[in-house]
Amino acid sequence: QIVLTQSPAIMSASPGEKVTMTCSASSSVSYMHWYQQKSGTSPKRWIYDTSKLASGVPARFSGSGSGTSYSLTISSMEAEDAATYYCQQWSSNPPTFGAGTKLELK
Amino acid sequence: QVQLQQPGAELVKPGASVKMSCKASGYTFTSYNMHWVKQTPGQGLEWIGAIYPGNGDTSYNQKFKGKATLTADKSSSTAYMQLSSLTSEDSAVYYCARHYRYYFDYWGQGTTLTVSS
Repeated sequence: QIVLTQSPAIMSASPGEKVTMTCSASSSVSYMHWYQQKSGTSPKRWIYDTSKLASGVPARFSGSGSGTSYSLTISSMEAEDAATYYCQQWSSNPPTFGAGTKLELK
Repeated sequence: QVQLQQPGAELVKPGASVKMSCKASGYTFTSYNMHWVKQTPGQGLEWIGAIYPGNGDTSYNQKFKGKATLTADKSSSTAYMQLSSLTSEDSAVYYCARHYRYYFDYWGQGTTLTVSS
């Protein structure tokens, strides 16, 4: 199965700061999808097909990448963005998730 | 609007089985695969398997074959996952999630399973 490695595992950012987190795949994948999860709630579809924002996701979020390297970027950190972000692939079975990047507000 | 309703918690003794439910509403239940995902602090998010309620076809992660059994009731738009021979390793939060293309577009609130005597 394809292993997804997210880095960093934990990070903190100040309001207004640019944030970038990465997801590296053990084999090439066609698309990467991202979920946001806040404590005590279920994951929410956040970015799909590598770069498309789910409904309601602020435009300060963006996704990019190809092959084995993907990233999620926040252009200007806001307090509400503090959460854990997971990447997910389904280019091959089984679908797999990364271990997550926990983003904290500094 | 699409909703997937799951019970909040289950407490079960080691060696027993549990059947979790996921009641769908707001869309045509038989037209989308329903998936189940396990979340633990140590292992993160793991895909368990999926069922297509339209015809009952199932697929499983090899890791969960023999552990999980997926079924669906079209009359009540409810998907079920039965977990057998429970151990402490099965304690986790279990989510149902609707499949759309190559990702999961809607998730239930999750059922927290505690396996304890």
